[in-house]
Amino acid sequence: DGGITQSPKYLFRKEGQNVTLSCEQNLNHDAMYWYRQDPGQGLRLIYYSQIVNDFQKGDIAEGYSVSREKKESFPLTVTSAQKNPTAFYLCASKPRHSTDTQYFGPGTRLTVL
Amino acid sequence: ILNVEQSPQSLHVQEGDSTNFTCSFPSSNFYALHWYRWETAKSPEALFVMTLNGDEKKKGRISATLNTKEGYSYLYIKGSQPEDSATYLCAFGAPNAGKSTFGDGTTLTVKP
Repeated sequence: DGGITQSPKYLFRKEGQNVTLSCEQNLNHDAMYWYRQDPGQGLRLIYYSQIVNDFQKGDIAEGYSVSREKKESFPLTVTSAQKNPTAFYLCASKPRHSTDTQYFGPGTRLTVL
Repeated sequence: ILNVEQSPQSLHVQEGDSTNFTCSFPSSNFYALHWYRWETAKSPEALFVMTLNGDEKKKGRISATLNTKEGYSYLYIKGSQPEDSATYLCAFGAPNAGKSTFGDGTTLTVKP
């Protein structure tokens, strides 16, 4: 089955620890995205990548880092510098063109204790 | 940061009611406007992608219109059903940016 997987579904971490969220797609899509959702708000873009070994900051990149070593994988690290990391994180991918629809993973809910 | 606004923020209707909500976006440098439906405990799913001024798209009881000159899109649901309950997101795609800017969504609740 083609799709996007994110793991784990729920993640708990202690304050001050870095944590990496996984995102894998087997849709052969060029572009991948990380979004954050907080209660009552829409999706805010953290980072995106249009091609392997290249990525750009989104609107709220501070405290996060990413890598894109393989086309199918785009892991997100939430660092200890992120002031309010507890949130719901969604990964998405799409083919090359701007008019193409994004396909979303199931999301990871991160809670920092 | 582009400003994409959706209204209302939430909407409660009775089964069988028709409803509509709005997405407002910058009217300059328009490239594409996407509508997504996000049901609880599921991933957002695409409804429509609209690229031309005056576009009208329809899928079953749901339809959408686009006015790029004034910067808005309407989503209509005819005869709402409980299964239409979801958050509806619009996303504005700028040219050559590779990214979309999402509105905060309209959460629709349809009561049986």
